[in-house]
Amino acid sequence: GENVGLHLPTLSVQEGDNSIINCAYSNSASDYFIWYKQESGKGPQFIIDIRSNMDKRQGQRVTVLLNKTVKHLSLQIAATQPGDSAVYFCAELRSNSGYALNFGKGTSLLVTP
Amino acid sequence: DAGITQSPRHKVTETGTPVTLRCHQTENHRYMYWYRQDPGHGLRLIHYSYGVKDTDKGEVSDGYSVSRSKTEDFLLTLESATSSQTSVYFCAISGGSLGTGELFFGEGSRLTVL
Repeated sequence: GENVGLHLPTLSVQEGDNSIINCAYSNSASDYFIWYKQESGKGPQFIIDIRSNMDKRQGQRVTVLLNKTVKHLSLQIAATQPGDSAVYFCAELRSNSGYALNFGKGTSLLVTP
Repeated sequence: DAGITQSPRHKVTETGTPVTLRCHQTENHRYMYWYRQDPGHGLRLIHYSYGVKDTDKGEVSDGYSVSRSKTEDFLLTLESATSSQTSVYFCAISGGSLGTGELFFGEGSRLTVL
């Protein structure tokens, strides 16, 4: 079935380096995507979103890139900090399910000193 | 933080017993959702509500029922809990305009079925 998936389950980066987390989606009709961050024992928290009519969106230290041609989404975190260690999920909007989000399986980001 | 409260936060129960999880919001949002989170599966939608007494099934609805008698409360019921329903359950709410899919999540309810 159509799904949202992640290329790598874990990613380890050094403090201060940039991180890139990737996500592939298969539903070409998806028109809205969100990245969430989940810390241990907590619920997912919104990081940044992007609509399909955009290629790039920037937030504070984070950038999301959308390549509709290859159905690929990425989250870039600049100058990664220890507090960025968490699981990151991409999600796509399902407009035919009460605007529920369809989540990928997540990538665990570990920031080492 | 969005005003979402889940209760109980932790529960241990036995196979075959009924369980109800409660989600309470203070944001007056229209949409409410129940997800479950399991290792290797990410977050999967169980049921959702788009208004009082208006609910629909998600992708993993078997064994679960929901009710929404008030805007602020969304209940998830396991009529007869099974070990496969051991999971962390998250409630989420959304009040964004059409096409704005941002969901705000509660802190989760960890359920263990023995």
